[in-house]
Amino acid sequence: DVVMTQTPLSLAVTPGQPASISCKSSQSLLHSDAKTYLFWYLQKTGQPPQLLIYEASKRFSGVPDRFSGSGSGTDFTLKISRVEAEDVGVYYCMQTIQVPYTFGQGTKLEI
Amino acid sequence: QVQLQQWGAGLLKPSETLSLTCAMYGGSFSGYYWSWIRQPPGKGLEWIGEINHSGNTNSKPSLKSRVTISVDTPKNQFSLKVSSVTAADTAVYYCARVSGSYLLDHWGQGTLVTVSS
Repeated sequence: DVVMTQTPLSLAVTPGQPASISCKSSQSLLHSDAKTYLFWYLQKTGQPPQLLIYEASKRFSGVPDRFSGSGSGTDFTLKISRVEAEDVGVYYCMQTIQVPYTFGQGTKLEI
Repeated sequence: QVQLQQWGAGLLKPSETLSLTCAMYGGSFSGYYWSWIRQPPGKGLEWIGEINHSGNTNSKPSLKSRVTISVDTPKNQFSLKVSSVTAADTAVYYCARVSGSYLLDHWGQGTLVTVSS
């Protein structure tokens, strides 16, 4: 299985300040079709996860531009330029290049 | 607007079979894969498996012997069965649509399944 490792596991941020979460995969997520199968999800309390970033760096429809994804191969980063109160929750990276699809352990963002 | 609505028994005894169904409303059913994911209380997300409208499936190998994912395309529904459940299968189970680059873009509301004697 592809192992996804997130750091840090928890993060306390002051509103208006930036935040960054790292995700490393045990093997490259770059497919031969030139797409990178790395995704970022945010799970707010009591809700299903919601997609933020797909293919490592593309913002999903309706996601604020303060969220950005970067990285390639096995190293990826999710950045929030200015954290807002509504960004609280657990962030997960996920790979779908290989079955079984796997998630990182999650990073809990607190204000 | 695509909506996924899921249902199934919430309390099971050890050795029983978990059974959940997810219905899709407001979009096309064909051309997508449909996935099941679970989350034990207070823990992270675990992908279980997926199916498309033709019945082609992929499952997590460690669960494959106990998991059955099926589809009812005319009803725009897909189902999950997990046999011989134990307390370790206690989790919130989510259904989700798999789009484009294998992203999960629409999720059901989640169903808490508790296994307890």
